[in-house]
Amino acid sequence: EDQVTQSPEALRLQEGESSSLNCSYTVSGLRGLFWYRQDPGKGPEFLFTLYSAGEEKEKERLKATLTKKESFLHITAPKPEDSATYLCAVTGNNRKLIWGLGTSLAVNP
Amino acid sequence: GAGVSQSPRYKVAKRGQDVALRCDPISGHVSLFWYQQALGQGPEFLTYFQNEAQLDKSGLPSDRFFAERPEGSVSTLKIQRTQQEDSAVYLCASSPAGLGNTGELFFGEGSRLTVL
Repeated sequence: EDQVTQSPEALRLQEGESSSLNCSYTVSGLRGLFWYRQDPGKGPEFLFTLYSAGEEKEKERLKATLTKKESFLHITAPKPEDSATYLCAVTGNNRKLIWGLGTSLAVNP
Repeated sequence: GAGVSQSPRYKVAKRGQDVALRCDPISGHVSLFWYQQALGQGPEFLTYFQNEAQLDKSGLPSDRFFAERPEGSVSTLKIQRTQQEDSAVYLCASSPAGLGNTGELFFGEGSRLTVL
């Protein structure tokens, strides 16, 4: 069964304290892995798509990486405005998006 | 408009009432999804449209839930005889791509439904 597990559930960082969020997945025939950011009371906002192991994407303080079993979202020197829930999703042979439960990130000034 | 628009943003219904939630996708977007999101959870798939065709409704939790997109643009999610367990945020998302290439979605801000 296709599945996405994100860890940790919640993470609290000090401003400038770099860390990583994990997204482990099992899917038949990975077609893409997607990272989204969701602010309270808003819909998810697309961040990155990764298609194959070894691929990396960067945007400002965020870098997403992909292996055959997991993806990491690295946050370098985070700022309070990076506080949000980060969601991971995958799509495989059945072409359905399977979502994780998210990691709630809080960055303290 | 520039983004996906959903209305109403907030809806309070008494148990047993019918509700209708509207989604205006980005103009020209082929794919439209409805998701249900409970507090602290990821989005749960409800249904998918490619243009006016409802290609997948496997996520609709019961026959009280009905969705339509008659002209391939605006979509409505209707919930009949609402129950307390229907309380959630209902998210609409659209994409310019067709099925199988739809991981990059544009979401609306959601409609928060509270059933008393």
